[in-house]
Amino acid sequence: QVHLQESGPGLVEPSGTLSLTCAVSGGSISTIAWWTWVRQPPGKGLEWIGEVYHSGSTNYNPSLKSRATISVDKSKSHFSLKLNSVTAADTAVYYCAKFTMATPGLDWGQGTLVTVSS
Amino acid sequence: QTVVTQEPSLTVSPGGTVTLTCASSTGAVTSDYYLNWFQQKPGQAPRALIYNTDNKHSWTPARFSGSLLGGKAALTLSGVQPEDEADYYCLLYYGAAWVFGGGTKLTVL
Repeated sequence: QVHLQESGPGLVEPSGTLSLTCAVSGGSISTIAWWTWVRQPPGKGLEWIGEVYHSGSTNYNPSLKSRATISVDKSKSHFSLKLNSVTAADTAVYYCAKFTMATPGLDWGQGTLVTVSS
Repeated sequence: QTVVTQEPSLTVSPGGTVTLTCASSTGAVTSDYYLNWFQQKPGQAPRALIYNTDNKHSWTPARFSGSLLGGKAALTLSGVQPEDEADYYCLLYYGAAWVFGGGTKLTVL
């Protein structure tokens, strides 16, 4: 079981870029897994944002694909999310998680609230 | 845009049985969707309960079971306990993209 920890600004201005990092510890980021971002607006459901493999390959939610970029830094054992042109609708708790095809979402970070506001 | 639909809310009495369902806008849900179920309690990250349609994790109570039912995915709780009150989400795989259902708020009353 790996430990995941999100970090980044809790407040982002409208039209700006949301940037978060997820530190992976207790296991190798180069294992067979897709490192994933999921968000949850206050009082609403979960939304899969996208994922990155240690090779750098990525997959995205089609509804966010044009604004989201997920990358991995193996040397630092972390992966990151950038979401540009944010609006109030992007206000949410952002979770990082470890997904595998067989058992997605076994390990999750605690989540971090990002508020989009001026 | 693929939509996965769950009952918004259900209520069950302690000791009772309840079935939550998960439907895909693309048609019948099959085992090809790598179906998963998660439980989420307030202020907590989701916790995996069921993987690959009907497989329990080591920590999943025996009263939880996953299945396919009439073209939908189903999560059945038998002998519901007060601590089962939570939000439940299904998760399906659509080839290079995962989609969560809208979630079911289960009330034990």
